[in-house]
Amino acid sequence: GAVVSQHPSRVICKSGTSVKIECRSLDFQATTMFWYRQFPKQSLMLMATSNEGSKATYEQGVEKDKFLINHASLTLSTLTVTSAHPEDSSFYICSASAPRGSLGDSPLHFGNGTRLTVT
Amino acid sequence: KQEVTQIPAALSVPEGENLVLNCSFTDSAIYNLQWFRQDPGKGLTSLLLIQSSQREQTSGRLNASLDKSSGRSTLYIAASQPGDSATYLCAVVFSNSNSGYALNFGKGTSLLVTP
Repeated sequence: GAVVSQHPSRVICKSGTSVKIECRSLDFQATTMFWYRQFPKQSLMLMATSNEGSKATYEQGVEKDKFLINHASLTLSTLTVTSAHPEDSSFYICSASAPRGSLGDSPLHFGNGTRLTVT
Repeated sequence: KQEVTQIPAALSVPEGENLVLNCSFTDSAIYNLQWFRQDPGKGLTSLLLIQSSQREQTSGRLNASLDKSSGRSTLYIAASQPGDSATYLCAVVFSNSNSGYALNFGKGTSLLVTP
């Protein structure tokens, strides 16, 4: 089945530093990738949608200059949390979408998430 | 706008009980509906996927139903076990003109099965 690899699974960084999270589709070309954030005891919330080769579309309330998304190829999207602060500590999950119909009946595939802790 | 609601928010049952988790969505124009399990600090595990043309799916002790016209889905867990303790998320997949697909999650039901 389709696999999405997300790296790193866990990262601890100091306030003010930047952190990059990678999301790769391993056996299919992901035309679209989604980035979600989950705070403790809350649901997953969509942060942004990225299409290969174009600028990401950010959800309301998400700072595009703080959460830089690059989707340079059909198999890789990166999320960079710039100048991270403790309030950015969260669980970040990516998902990837293949072209309609090419992966049967499950169009969205998820990475295992990245636990970011900013001290 | 597609909104997904899950009831109850939390549930505690003794081992062996059958239980039902509820999910409702506001726009019936969905591609499919998925149920996920999330263990603390972990990613998502896909449990069941129901296409918009289907009414139910079964996997082991799990059965999910879908009533698209009324905007409802239920996840039935038979003979619950302590290992079933987790947060269960419902999500609807729908067409998004900008990106092809989009997926909205409910806030989840936190399940605790006690021995």
